[in-house]
Amino acid sequence: NAGVTQTPKFQVLKTGQSMTLQCAQDMNHNSMYWYRQDPGMGLRLIYYSASEGTTDKGEVPNGYNVSRLNKREFSLRLESAAPSQTSVYFCASSESPGGSWNYGYTFGSGTRLTVV
Amino acid sequence: QKEVEQNSGPLSVPEGAIASLNCTYSDRGSQSFFWYRQYSGKSPELIMFIYSNGDKEDGRFTAQLNKASQYVSLLIRDSQPSDSATYLCAVNRAGNTPLVFGKGTRLSVIA
Repeated sequence: NAGVTQTPKFQVLKTGQSMTLQCAQDMNHNSMYWYRQDPGMGLRLIYYSASEGTTDKGEVPNGYNVSRLNKREFSLRLESAAPSQTSVYFCASSESPGGSWNYGYTFGSGTRLTVV
Repeated sequence: QKEVEQNSGPLSVPEGAIASLNCTYSDRGSQSFFWYRQYSGKSPELIMFIYSNGDKEDGRFTAQLNKASQYVSLLIRDSQPSDSATYLCAVNRAGNTPLVFGKGTRLSVIA
């Protein structure tokens, strides 16, 4: 009954380093998302995957890439980290992008990333 | 106009009072509306959803939807200190596109 699992939970990077945030869901959901959350900015969508094999940009995609590895897994890659990417990153999943009519999105526990 | 707007707060209410959280949205084609609670340092968790005009009650929580006014609200009755959190409103737009989240309202229930 894990739901959405994100790794790592915490990470400190130096400017210019790269890293991949991993996300896996065990709810057989079709759609998966990556959000970042900054103080006063709310949740901002980075990228999403409506279904296996598709990915689309969200509100703030610059500096990020994603891979929908299979139906369960959706990774987010920072190729050259910048201090502006210091944030809390949440992965989420749902039956469809609009959320099923009664279940919305299920979120992972988040990754706190600091870029120095 | 932002797609989903919420007053950032903080909204302070005494223990036992009714907390009223409000959200407005801009897309008239929106069909489903969700309320998430987020404790500090934690991830958002779904607490209510509504898709028909009127009220929907679940325990101490009541969601209210008025599509004509493009307004959705969350009432928390008998507020407890454990209700202190940020409440996020999320709205689906017309078409199968991702939910749009408001920036959230921070609620503080004072014992």
